[in-house]
Order: sequence, then C-alpha cells, then structure tokens
Amino acid sequence: DAKTTQPNSMESNEEEPVHLPCNHSTISGTDYIHWYRQLPSQGPEYVIHGLTSNVNNRMASLAIAEDRKSSTLILHRATLRDAAVYYCISFFNAGGTSYGKLTFGQGTILTVHP
Amino acid sequence: EPEVTQTPSHQVTQMGQEVILRCVPISNHLYFYWYRQILGQKVEFLVSFYNNEISEKSEIFDDQFSVERPDGSNFTLKIRSTKLEDSAMYFCASSEVMQGGYTFGSGTRLTVV
Repeated sequence: DAKTTQPNSMESNEEEPVHLPCNHSTISGTDYIHWYRQLPSQGPEYVIHGLTSNVNNRMASLAIAEDRKSSTLILHRATLRDAAVYYCISFFNAGGTSYGKLTFGQGTILTVHP
Repeated sequence: EPEVTQTPSHQVTQMGQEVILRCVPISNHLYFYWYRQILGQKVEFLVSFYNNEISEKSEIFDDQFSVERPDGSNFTLKIRSTKLEDSAMYFCASSEVMQGGYTFGSGTRLTVV
C-alpha cells in the first residue's frame, strides 16, 4: 500500500469548515483513497472514498489533486460529534490481488471547539 | 442503516483459554474482515475472508487464530489459547464490493488475565 502522511492533530471551531490534508506521493494509478474516522471508544467509521474525481456524500467531500499525490477531506460544517481520529488510507487493488486490507496509520486527531 | 453486529461487547478470559468472537456482517456483503486495536495503538489488519476462504492474513494471524463462516450469517474469530498480549479491541468489518466502503462493528473488548 502507498504510504500516507497526515498531520498529527488539527483544531476547528463548531460550524466552521475543516480541511484535513493527506499526502500520498507514492500512490499508484489503481490505488483508491479511503477516509475513515474513529470516535472515542468506537470502531472505525467509513467516511468517503475516491480514485481520481472529487467525491461528495452526506458526510463530507473528498478533493483529490490532479496528480493524485495528495487529497483533502472537507467537513463543510464541523460539529462536536465530528471530533475523532481521521484516517487517510491508500487502498491497493492491482488486478484484484488484494482483498481489502486497510492499513491504518496514526491518523489526524480532530478537536472541535464549541 | 444496516449494521455489523459483534458479540459479546466485552469478554474476560483466563490466559490459555479459547475464545470465540462473533460477528454478523451486513447480509448482502461478500467480503469480511477482522481487525484489532491494542489500547492506545493503531488499528491492525488480521484477516480477510471471501468466498468461504481466507484471502489474506497478517503476521499477527498465526496458528492460534482461525476464522469461520459457519452459516449464511455469522462470521467468527477463534483464538485457541489466549495470551496476555491478545488483550485488545477486535473489530469485524464487511463490504459489499472490494473497492467500496467498509462497515465496521462496534467491537469486542477482549481482556486476557
């Protein structure tokens, strides 16, 4: 799997947008970019994923750089419930030989202030 | 919204005992996984399971571990002879397609004493 690099921590105020960056400079053309988050004392929760195009869902938006070496997870209006560890994972699947191993790093601890 | 259900939520066992952690994945999902997280550490991949067989496993998943899908709904992780270092949160996950998002359960906290 391509290695991803994220800041250790970030802070935001409630109701403001949050941009969580991720670098994945060694990503290959078939690697998807997945984002998960983990709230305290809970299991990881899927947020969003994409390959080349920007993606939107009800939780967040994913902006992928044109060269795919970096991406940004965008939370449009942070709430206190968004305080969590956010993981950016480069998901490898070349020709179907990988069956879904997600390699979690340390992630970014997001603190949301009221 | 469909959920992955794990039982029990907390299990305490004596060192050397066998434990079985149970998971009910989402019904139309085809890919199943076990991960674990030792307190304060990263989430670690253990094993993936597809088409009734293990498709990939990590170095952690040694001969003490086994997985099974005994019927159409349950997915279990067995640890044959538990060690103190097996104490961790164990998460089950499932996905409909390999490239899609994975749904994780809320975990089983295993404490080996």
